[in-house]
Amino acid sequence: KNQVEQSPQSLIILEGKNCTLQCNYTVSPFSNLRWYKQDTGRGPVSLTIMTFSENTKSNGRYTATLDADTKQSSLHITASQLSDSASYICVVSGTSGTYKYIFGTGTRLKVLA
Amino acid sequence: NAGVTQTPKFRILKIGQSMTLQCTQDMNHNYMYWYRQDPGMGLKLIYYSVGAGITDKGEVPNGYNVSRSTTEDFPLRLELAAPSQTSVYFCASSYLGGGFRTDTQYFGPGTRLTVL
Repeated sequence: KNQVEQSPQSLIILEGKNCTLQCNYTVSPFSNLRWYKQDTGRGPVSLTIMTFSENTKSNGRYTATLDADTKQSSLHITASQLSDSASYICVVSGTSGTYKYIFGTGTRLKVLA
Repeated sequence: NAGVTQTPKFRILKIGQSMTLQCTQDMNHNYMYWYRQDPGMGLKLIYYSVGAGITDKGEVPNGYNVSRSTTEDFPLRLELAAPSQTSVYFCASSYLGGGFRTDTQYFGPGTRLTVL
């Protein structure tokens, strides 16, 4: 069964600190993996997209890594800010042409001043 | 561009009532999707459409209906509302399907529905 699992479920860090969120997937055959940020009361917004051949992708203070062999991805947030408080969702898609985005349950991050 | 717009933002229904959630996109996207998001759960696909006149079921279609008469609009109809349909509903659109690396989904702000 195609699944996307994320850990931890929730995380609290102090402003300025770094953190890493994890994503494991069993989607096969694999096409690409996305990380989304979802602010409270808003729809998800795409942060990064990676294919099988990409190991790292950055978007400002956000850096995503992908190990397609172990089917794991991580999202590293550097020098966190209060505005980083949100849910971060890992989304995996299957082979080219399919409509399917398979969503993880997300990690809820709270950044404290 | 307004992107993806949804109405209403909030709605309370009584059991057995019906309603339509509206979704419009102005990006000329082919694909449109309806998801529901329950607390602590990932987004679940209800229905999707690959173009005007073409719709198909997702993971959790029971109790819902859709239509796609134009490229821009993709309304979701709830018939005989039940408490199990209490959720946040998101509409999204994309130019291509999820398997394409260059595809990006754009989400609307969501509709928070409570069925009592």
